[in-house]
Amino acid sequence: GAGVSQSPSNKVTEKGKDVELRCDPISGHTALYWYRQSLGQGLEFLIYFQGNSAPDKSGLPSDRFSAERTGGSVSTLTIQRTQQEDSAVYLCASSLVTHKRTGGTGYGYTFGSGTRLTVV
Amino acid sequence: AQSVTQLGSHVSVSEGALVLLRCNYSSSVPPYLFWYVQYPNQGLQLLLKYTTGATLVKGINGFEAEFKKSETSFHLTKPSAHMSDAAEYFCAVNHAGGTSYGKLTFGQGTILTVHP
Repeated sequence: GAGVSQSPSNKVTEKGKDVELRCDPISGHTALYWYRQSLGQGLEFLIYFQGNSAPDKSGLPSDRFSAERTGGSVSTLTIQRTQQEDSAVYLCASSLVTHKRTGGTGYGYTFGSGTRLTVV
Repeated sequence: AQSVTQLGSHVSVSEGALVLLRCNYSSSVPPYLFWYVQYPNQGLQLLLKYTTGATLVKGINGFEAEFKKSETSFHLTKPSAHMSDAAEYFCAVNHAGGTSYGKLTFGQGTILTVHP
């Protein structure tokens, strides 16, 4: 597609429920990133995909968080047993990769508009 | 390891005044540097970037930034602020080496307010 598409744009869920957030990157972008943006916390890295594999999952805050990517395209971030502290805007970004070995990019990311998750 | 520090979480200027948003980085290898802007309830939009070559880079909406290696800085400027520039601005660093896998490290953001 022309841009990075995220759905839903807003999600309100009850504490303890599972949620799935979807990201559809720009066609041809092999690198995909998930970030979380909380009030006053800036942008927190969650996970990076190169193709369908995730070389860096270091930012996932707990084992309740998982993500997958299929066909080198769409990615889903799943949060199980949601807690109130999970409330945030979840941003997805995709990128061309400049350096295949390390995934380094001189292109920067293209971000989606985010999913605002509210856990009540 | 790489990190980014944005000096000033809030900056306020008058319309028509100079905009200066400060960013300092640390990186063990030559960096790629970026500025992003986020308008309310929107995602982040790339303003400009430095990879190699000319150290003064120009971006969209009249913004520019200068990479100063000796000062490890990448400050963002605009000669004359417009009301439409009011937004949050993020500086970010990335490099091609090591094990960062292209991960962008962001500063904490600077909220720019423009007064009439």
